[in-house]
Amino acid sequence: DGGITQSPKYLFRKEGQNVTLSCEQNLNHDAMYWYRQDPGQGLRLIYYSQIVNDFQKGDIAEGYSVSREKKESFPLTVTSAQKNPTAFYLCASSIGTGGYYEQYFGPGTRLTVT
Amino acid sequence: AQTVTQSQPEMSVQEAETVTLSCTYDTSESDYYLFWYKQPPSRQMILVIRQEAYKQQNATENRFSVNFQKAAKSFSLKISDSQLGDAAMYFCAYRANAGGTSYGKLTFGQGTILTVHP
Repeated sequence: DGGITQSPKYLFRKEGQNVTLSCEQNLNHDAMYWYRQDPGQGLRLIYYSQIVNDFQKGDIAEGYSVSREKKESFPLTVTSAQKNPTAFYLCASSIGTGGYYEQYFGPGTRLTVT
Repeated sequence: AQTVTQSQPEMSVQEAETVTLSCTYDTSESDYYLFWYKQPPSRQMILVIRQEAYKQQNATENRFSVNFQKAAKSFSLKISDSQLGDAAMYFCAYRANAGGTSYGKLTFGQGTILTVHP
């Protein structure tokens, strides 16, 4: 079955440690996205990539980094510079970045930093 | 910058009844899409319905329909014959179609929690 996988579902880290969240898709989509979800704030875009080896900052990129070395993979690193990293992180992909294209979402990763 | 506002943090409806969720948005662009996404307790985001700004006809998907008022920048979701499985968080979202600084980005509202009573 085609889809998006995110692992792990729950992730726990100590403050000051970098952590990388995995996102893999087998939909052959060009575009991939990372969103952060906090209670009462909806989803906010962290980074997005329209094509391999290219990515752009979203609205809340500070303290995060990404890479896009392969079409199917778009890992997100939460660095120690991110002041409030505890959140639910969602990865998404779409065929292209035109407005019509539906974004398909992964199941998400809940990150807790203590 | 585009903004999307959902003014109803929570709504409730009786099973088989109809409920309307509100959404307003602000943009200076003319070519865009609007979406309603559903997030059930599993937290898996599911597309419910989409509307192209240039289409005057309101989109419909089975029991789900929208009331799109472009001049008023309003995009409400109507759920008819509500079912227990409709209980979820619903997000309104905006996406520019092409060009502009928001190209490819989805901007979400804060969400509305819908409770369905049996």
